[in-house]
Amino acid sequence: NAGVTQTPKFRILKIGQSMTLQCAQDMNHNYMYWYRQDPGMGLKLIYYSVGAGITDKGEVPNGYNVSRSTTEDFPLRLELAAPSQTSVYFCASSSLSSGRDNEQFFGPGTRLTVL
Amino acid sequence: DAKTTQPTSMDCAEGRAANLPCNHSTISGNEYVYWYRQIHSQGPQYIIHGLKNNETNEMASLIITEDRKSSTLILPHATLRDTAVYYCIVRVGHNTNAGKSTFGDGTTLTVKP
Repeated sequence: NAGVTQTPKFRILKIGQSMTLQCAQDMNHNYMYWYRQDPGMGLKLIYYSVGAGITDKGEVPNGYNVSRSTTEDFPLRLELAAPSQTSVYFCASSSLSSGRDNEQFFGPGTRLTVL
Repeated sequence: DAKTTQPTSMDCAEGRAANLPCNHSTISGNEYVYWYRQIHSQGPQYIIHGLKNNETNEMASLIITEDRKSSTLILPHATLRDTAVYYCIVRVGHNTNAGKSTFGDGTTLTVKP
């Protein structure tokens, strides 16, 4: 299994541009999450999904949108990028049947800079 | 989900036990204590979790107080590769509301030769 994969690894955006961060998992996990991590800080939850077609806001959802059309994919959309969205974005997944009581598996992250 | 409090940083000598504390005084009865670590800028990695009883696996031990208001992660023989940021979080294990959990700023553990 590849686990949780994220693309791209790095991206530089100009203010006002839009982009989609891709996240996919091949573990048939029902839960998926998007976090952002600013330099020297912990992770903040942006959005999460408990299954295909179901999404909900986390702590810091403003400026982002998500969709979950399949179990495997959970893309994060940035509209009108702002410098405050410069961060490292992590995608994660988990399953109630993982045997570890909802252990989260994380992807390698996408480093985004908005100039 | 309950919030947690951890020291900002700790040092440990290589080969010695590293004991990382976490306070979670508002933990609910159905919330588990999870520990993750993040090495450099990689994605966080699961270490261990528990509900009431002490737990041990190949990576670490988790000691939870009887009132469940605090816990300690123990790395029995710390190595230089254990230098990382360690996060203690509390979250529901088996629940459709398990999506929301809060990662604080964690404890930066530095293992020194």
